[in-house]
Amino acid sequence: QVQLQESGPGLVKPSGTLSLTCAVSGGSISSSNWWTWVRQSPGKGLEWIGEMYHSGSTNYNPSLKSRVTISVDKSTNHFSLKLSSVTAADTAVYFCARKRYYDRSGGAFDIWGQGTLVVVSS
Amino acid sequence: DIQMTQSPSSLSASVGDRVTITCRTSQTINNFLNWYQQKPGKAPKLLIYAASTLQSGVPSRFSGSGSGTDFTLTISSLQPEDFATYYCQQSYTTPPLTFGGGTKVEIK
Repeated sequence: QVQLQESGPGLVKPSGTLSLTCAVSGGSISSSNWWTWVRQSPGKGLEWIGEMYHSGSTNYNPSLKSRVTISVDKSTNHFSLKLSSVTAADTAVYFCARKRYYDRSGGAFDIWGQGTLVVVSS
Repeated sequence: DIQMTQSPSSLSASVGDRVTITCRTSQTINNFLNWYQQKPGKAPKLLIYAASTLQSGVPSRFSGSGSGTDFTLTISSLQPEDFATYYCQQSYTTPPLTFGGGTKVEIK
């Protein structure tokens, strides 16, 4: 059974770069799924950040695109998120998730990591 | 971007009640609509995909319907473990994928 686990610093300074990694266990990151990051600001709703396929294809939220990089490391079965020039508005719980495609429909986020809180503060 | 409007934003209900949550999209998305349940401090959990297909392991009291721009999540008989926040999400166009604002289901 595939499981996801986020890791990374819980505190990032303003103007710095937020870096998180998601470890994929129980399955291969080279499977036919998209690997995704979603965030949730305290007390708020869910915001899709972006996604990557193992081939290297990516899609990013236009609102964050200039600051976001998602990458996949097939050798370690991890994928990563980098968000640059962070401000307090980037304080959130960051989730990694797998987007799986189902017949006759778009994809859905069927497996999630537990989430990790990142606070942007000096 | 496709805008997602959920209603109500919150509701109070009793155990055993039938609960209905709606999601409206700003443009047609066929059946490319998913529903998630999120409990405090936890990751969202996929309940329904493709508007009406129950994810494996999800109780049959949950159901989804709709197509085009109007969708509904129904809980036929609310159970204590169902008190949570529910989100719809469209998978028709990316980027960006978008979520509804959420519906918090509270105990009356």
